[in-house]
Amino acid sequence: QSVLTQPPSASGTPGQRVAISCSGSSSNIGSKDVYWYQQLPGTAPRVLIYRNNQRPSGVPDRFSGSKSATSASLAISGLRSEDEADYYCSTWDDILRGWVFGGGTKVTVL
Amino acid sequence: EVQLVESGGGLVQPGGSLRLSCVASGFPFSNYDMHWVRQATGKGLEWVSAISIAGDTYSADSVKGRFTVSRENAKNSFHLQMNDLRAGDTAVYYCTRGAEGFDPWGQGTLVTVSS
Repeated sequence: QSVLTQPPSASGTPGQRVAISCSGSSSNIGSKDVYWYQQLPGTAPRVLIYRNNQRPSGVPDRFSGSKSATSASLAISGLRSEDEADYYCSTWDDILRGWVFGGGTKVTVL
Repeated sequence: EVQLVESGGGLVQPGGSLRLSCVASGFPFSNYDMHWVRQATGKGLEWVSAISIAGDTYSADSVKGRFTVSRENAKNSFHLQMNDLRAGDTAVYYCTRGAEGFDPWGQGTLVTVSS
């Protein structure tokens, strides 16, 4: 059972917008920055969003992140087939004194 | 090019030990915290251990007292010494740099704990 809660799956048709939620608490999301990672099938993860809403160079602006109180969200607009992957949120937890991940959300493009 | 390459994975019996290594290139290694993250087959990501620029170490509760992380700045490398291994430690272990998020990640090395 993960400290951060994500829906196990999400789906959409090409061109649609998909949003993935990440719910935590005051000891993690409520007081720390949130990071999002994309893991394509058979590959290592890569950072998609850092510090809640910042995109590394090379990440399309179709991906956006937001945070409010103890929850965060990743939105994918203009969904494309190559976006089929697992997505994880992550942050530091002050009580556990360690980094925590959400359980992951599998995005399927219908 | 910033790159991380892990090595040292393999098959080990329960209660045994294994040492993973990660060699970095393409960036000033001593200026970054470094982390280990693992992933059991078909499961999610789990942060394992980290070592700071200053050499401070911290680990997840699930491995505390069994796993030790160290670094050799002169060799641009860091290591994960894993003792008293259990079946639940079976996973792909990734090394990653603490930058703006965990970035980049190595290709991973598989550790299998089984008799």
